[in-house]
Amino acid sequence: EPEVTQTPSHQVTQMGQEVILRCVPISNHLYFYWYRQILGQKVEFLVSFYNNEISEKSEIFDDQFSVERPDGSNFTLKIRSTKLEDSAMYFCASTSGGADTQYFGPGTRLTVL
Amino acid sequence: QQQVKQSPQSLIVQKGGISIINCAYENTAFDYFPWYQQFPGKGPALLIAIRPDVSEKKEGRFTISFNKSAKQFSLHIMDSQPGDSATYFCAASLRGYSSASKIIFGSGTRLSIRP
Repeated sequence: EPEVTQTPSHQVTQMGQEVILRCVPISNHLYFYWYRQILGQKVEFLVSFYNNEISEKSEIFDDQFSVERPDGSNFTLKIRSTKLEDSAMYFCASTSGGADTQYFGPGTRLTVL
Repeated sequence: QQQVKQSPQSLIVQKGGISIINCAYENTAFDYFPWYQQFPGKGPALLIAIRPDVSEKKEGRFTISFNKSAKQFSLHIMDSQPGDSATYFCAASLRGYSSASKIIFGSGTRLSIRP
């Protein structure tokens, strides 16, 4: 069964450093998302991406964040200058649209020290 | 308006019992209400979903009850098993006919099934 994959599974970084989280969505999907989950809290929407541009973003997704689909398979989330409060689990999701559901990857745990 | 409120925060049920998790929403424009199951170290996975034009949907041991007038919906897990121990999230979306819209999650319920 096709699945969304994410790398790395765990990223540790120093405050102020840049990080790039990588996702490989399901191959025929057209819509891509990043969500995050701070430990013990709910999953929160960050950004949606379609046709090579951002469709919607939340108030969390400020100028420190950016997304990119650099080739036909990868979808990345970049945090330019990490803060302690960016420590969370980041989930990538994708869907083909229509009646399909959004499929979530296993997540990348980001720890900012 | 965009929130989905979920209770309880945690729930312990004996094996074979019924697990019930409740959610409420404010935005009447929401038209898709999924439930996600999350195991430790994994991403949320769709368990079952309902649209507001029906009052109940059943898939195996899992049932969603939906009360449109009260803006509430709940998940019932019949004959709960230890393998059902996970975190459950209710959610809502302004979906229309497309799954492209963002999903708004509830705060989650950590369910433990005692053998």
